[in-house]
Amino acid sequence: DQQVKQNSPSLSVQEGRISILNCDYTNSMFDYFLWYKKYPAEGPTFLISISSIKDKNEDGRFTVFLNKSAKHLSLHIVPSQPGDSAVYFCAASGTSGTYKYIFGTGTRLKVLA
Amino acid sequence: EAGVAQSPRYKIIEKRQSVAFWCNPISGHATLYWYQQILGQGPKLLIQFQNNGVVDDSQLPKDRFSAERLKGVDSTLKIQPAKLEDSAVYLCASSQPPGQGAYEQYFGPGTRLTVT
Repeated sequence: DQQVKQNSPSLSVQEGRISILNCDYTNSMFDYFLWYKKYPAEGPTFLISISSIKDKNEDGRFTVFLNKSAKHLSLHIVPSQPGDSAVYFCAASGTSGTYKYIFGTGTRLKVLA
Repeated sequence: EAGVAQSPRYKIIEKRQSVAFWCNPISGHATLYWYQQILGQGPKLLIQFQNNGVVDDSQLPKDRFSAERLKGVDSTLKIQPAKLEDSAVYLCASSQPPGQGAYEQYFGPGTRLTVT
């Protein structure tokens, strides 16, 4: 039962353009969502998060959008840079109880120079 | 601020052998997580500690996996005996305790285990 899905295993984008990474979830109890970036041979690094009380959160070049009715979130990177090339994971959690995080399978982003 | 430390970084063992991984979380982080990440998949939670206590080990294969967190700081994860399907990266993460408004987890570099 995959509660968090990233349906695009890979994405290639030209440098300077927008990268859009998508994530869908099924559990309506999730109310906190995070994006992580992972480089090879390193652990995931926290990128940006959003609470279900918001529909948008912005941090520099990174913006996360949340559509609760569609159970969908997306990460926008503008402008994309070669250093953004990595695997991106979305994760979801409820903010009561044990705060157990469920991760998606990841999307590999390649930004072409 | 020092990050989450893990050792060893790489380990190769034969099936049926045992192996142990060590994790030192960020100072002050009461919550510690062990994840298993199989190639091509996202991290899967194995066990979550709050200080010394286990709050979730529902996906830990308890017939072969065990974990402890001594004095609410360092933690070890053990596999005995290992199977081929245990080949994965084992990630340790830590975070502030729930309820303090910060839900981000900070990950260590992971231990890549290969079982032959």
